[in-house]
Amino acid sequence: GQSLEQPSEVTAVEGAIVQINCTYQTSGFYGLSWYQQHDGGAPTFLSYNALDGLEETGRFSSFLSRSDSYGYLLLQELQMKDSASYFCAVDRYSSASKIIFGSGTRLSIRP
Amino acid sequence: DVKVTQSSRYLVKRTGEKVFLECVQDMDHENMFWYRQDPGLGLRLIYFSYDVKMKEKGDIPEGYSVSREKKERFSLILESASTNQTSMYLCASSLQDGAYEQYFGPGTRLTVT
Repeated sequence: GQSLEQPSEVTAVEGAIVQINCTYQTSGFYGLSWYQQHDGGAPTFLSYNALDGLEETGRFSSFLSRSDSYGYLLLQELQMKDSASYFCAVDRYSSASKIIFGSGTRLSIRP
Repeated sequence: DVKVTQSSRYLVKRTGEKVFLECVQDMDHENMFWYRQDPGLGLRLIYFSYDVKMKEKGDIPEGYSVSREKKERFSLILESASTNQTSMYLCASSLQDGAYEQYFGPGTRLTVT
């Protein structure tokens, strides 16, 4: 079957760096996306990786290793406003189970 | 500013009712999506549409249907609402047909009693 795994909760300190991992088991993989969702809010797109390596967007970076079926989101210089849930999502070459989201990682930032 | 709107923020319906959830986007996107979000399960794709009058089933289409008569509007229909369809429903649109850079609406929290 198809599955994504990410930690359910992560806690970090303001100003620090945190990494949120995502491992996937799926056939027909072609890309990994990351979304942020604040409580009561809509998911917002953060980053996308189709090729191996690191993509940097300001304080956020995302990494993909296709050979390891693994990716991560790296958040630097953490701010209190980064407290949110973060979801990874896989794109597949398939009309069924075309997009699979992970169950989300709740990030809590301590002062 | 890109915008996806959903017809209701909160909705309460009775078991067996037919329910319509409306989604409108103003970005001229070809692709639109309906998800449901439940605690601990993330977002699950119900249906998506890549063009007017075109639709594809997602992971959990049972009990749902969709309609896309105009490019900007994508409707989700619960033919006969059941209590297990109580959930947050999220609509999204995108230039691409995958998870890349989707724009989400604020969601409709549907309660079926």
